[in-house]
Amino acid sequence: AQSVTQLGSHVSVSEGALVLLRCNYSSSVPPYLFWYVQYPNQGLQLLLKYTSAATLVKGINGFEAEFKKSETSFHLTKPSAHMSDAAEYFCAVLNTGFQKLVFGTGTRLLVSP
Amino acid sequence: DTGVSQDPRHKITKRGQNVTFRCDPISEHNRLYWYRQTLGQGPEFLTYFQNEAQLEKSRLLSDRFSAERPKGSFSTLEIQRTEQGDSAMYLCARTILSGDEQFFGPGTRLTVL
Repeated sequence: AQSVTQLGSHVSVSEGALVLLRCNYSSSVPPYLFWYVQYPNQGLQLLLKYTSAATLVKGINGFEAEFKKSETSFHLTKPSAHMSDAAEYFCAVLNTGFQKLVFGTGTRLLVSP
Repeated sequence: DTGVSQDPRHKITKRGQNVTFRCDPISEHNRLYWYRQTLGQGPEFLTYFQNEAQLEKSRLLSDRFSAERPKGSFSTLEIQRTEQGDSAMYLCARTILSGDEQFFGPGTRLTVL
């Protein structure tokens, strides 16, 4: 079964600092991977996706993620954090057999002035 | 705008009551998903439809839960005899038939007293 693990339930950074949110996947087939962001009491917004094309994927709001097969990782980064980036971030893998997303437990990003 | 609306946004009910949620995707020709998200967790897959056909149901979907998508347009999720453990955010998502990204609605937050 495909799964993802997000390391760190909370990550705190200062405004302007590098953001690094970690995601490791488990999959017996080439995975389709996604990052979503969720603001309080809202649905999920797609940040970016990896579908076996370029290993460095650029998304919205200045975020990007790099697929590393050797490390089974798909970490999310942003060079400079903004206060508006404070939210919950979810990594997910597409279960291609049933076309459903399998999510990690999420990482809450806190940004301080 | 993700092209998915959900109604109601919030629902408070007493244990034992029945509740129904509605999801309206922007287009009829797509797959439609239901997920449940409890506090501090990532969304968990419940069921999905391709047009009007319900193709997959999670074991999380007990016999108290039923979902429909008449005519392949909007979808409803009904919970009968609600229990306190049903308290969660219920998320609906859509995708186009040729795509793999899932676009989420704002969710319905259910509180069972």
